[in-house]
Amino acid sequence: EAQVTQNPRYLITVTGKKLTVTCSQNMNHEYMSWYRQDPGLGLRQIYYSMNVEVTDKGDVPEGYKVSRKEKRNFPLILESPSPNQTSLYFCASSTNRQGHNSPLHFGNGTRLTVT
Amino acid sequence: KQEVTQIPAALSVPEGENLVLNCSFTDSAIYNLQWFRQDPGKGLTSLLLIQSSQREQTSGRLNASLDKSSGRSTLYIAASQPGDSATYLCAVDTGGFKTIFGAGTRLFVKA
Repeated sequence: EAQVTQNPRYLITVTGKKLTVTCSQNMNHEYMSWYRQDPGLGLRQIYYSMNVEVTDKGDVPEGYKVSRKEKRNFPLILESPSPNQTSLYFCASSTNRQGHNSPLHFGNGTRLTVT
Repeated sequence: KQEVTQIPAALSVPEGENLVLNCSFTDSAIYNLQWFRQDPGKGLTSLLLIQSSQREQTSGRLNASLDKSSGRSTLYIAASQPGDSATYLCAVDTGGFKTIFGAGTRLFVKA
């Protein structure tokens, strides 16, 4: 089954403790992206990747890191989480975005709480 | 800066009613517009994608239209069902690999 898989689904951590949220897709998509969703603000883009070893900042990249060493994986790293990073996080992927006609496929989300 | 607005924020309708969800965007220079459905505890599911050169797209009981010049899109749902209850989000592709989302319309269809 074609899908985007995020782990974990739920995560509670403390301020400053490094964490990684994994994202994997099995559709051979070039493009992958991370979003956070907060009440009343919609989804905001954190980072995206156009292909292996090619990443760029979205609208809210502060406090986050990403890497794209393999085509299928795009982990989100919080080096020193803070309470304002408490949010619902989504990973998404699509085929090459140059044609602008490829829908985004989303994972089921990771609910992160930082105390 | 592109901004996407969805009104209303919430909507409750009786089963069987036809309804329209609205999406507006401030910059008409878009490559495409997508409508998504989000169920509680789940990710987003793509419903329809309209490229900038298109006026509308249809899938089953759903019809989405796009008017780039006025910065508006509508999602029409025919003969609504309780199973249509969800949050509906629109998103515009601004090029440069960025997608801007609206905050969504929460729809409740009463049986």
